Amino acid sequence: GAGVSQSPSNKVTEKGKDVELRCDPISGHTALYWYRQSLGQGLEFLIYFQGNSAPDKSGLPSDRFSAERTGGSVSTLTIQRTQQEDSAVYLCASSYRDTSNAEAFFGQGTRLTVV
Amino acid sequence: DQQVKQNSPSLSVQEGRISILNCDYTNSMFDYFLWYKKYPAEGPTFLISISSIKDKNEDGRFTVFLNKSAKHLSLHIVPSQPGDSAVYFCAAKSPGTYKYIFGTGTRLKVLA
Repeated sequence: GAGVSQSPSNKVTEKGKDVELRCDPISGHTALYWYRQSLGQGLEFLIYFQGNSAPDKSGLPSDRFSAERTGGSVSTLTIQRTQQEDSAVYLCASSYRDTSNAEAFFGQGTRLTVV
Repeated sequence: DQQVKQNSPSLSVQEGRISILNCDYTNSMFDYFLWYKKYPAEGPTFLISISSIKDKNEDGRFTVFLNKSAKHLSLHIVPSQPGDSAVYFCAAKSPGTYKYIFGTGTRLKVLA
């Protein structure tokens, strides 16, 4: 497809379990972002990857959260030992950065519910 | 510390009238600003952007105004249509970074 693809679209997990969320960015896009939106809140930055540079992890809320981007394309966000406060919609976005400013294109998100 | 603020959580406008969505920011270093629209169960969709070297950018029914001295951004939609009903987010970034800071959103309802 032409857009950013995320899977799964919905995930229900038990507290304490690990989860993996996947993002396929738009082909050729060099930057990839993860955000999350908790109920009634705005978009909270988590992490971004840009080419071969070290990722900016400044938004990750705790060391239970990690992300990787393999081969400069697909990214996986992992949440270990999930807590109920991790319940949110996790959004991935990508952009093509041949200029200093470029809009990011978002996927449809993964709704994570921790029970 | 909320660097990008959208102080109106909701707005209702009659179809055909102007919708004005506001956004304030605190970081004077921000150099690029964007507006996104989000429908339920979908990801945000890019609408329009503006660089800090400009004070206005127009695209069809959408115009973004930037007042750097007031650290204020606004999105005007004219004329408003029922299909514009969505949550609107403003976002900003600093030079040399790739991190967008988003506001909390304004829910726009356009009444037919």
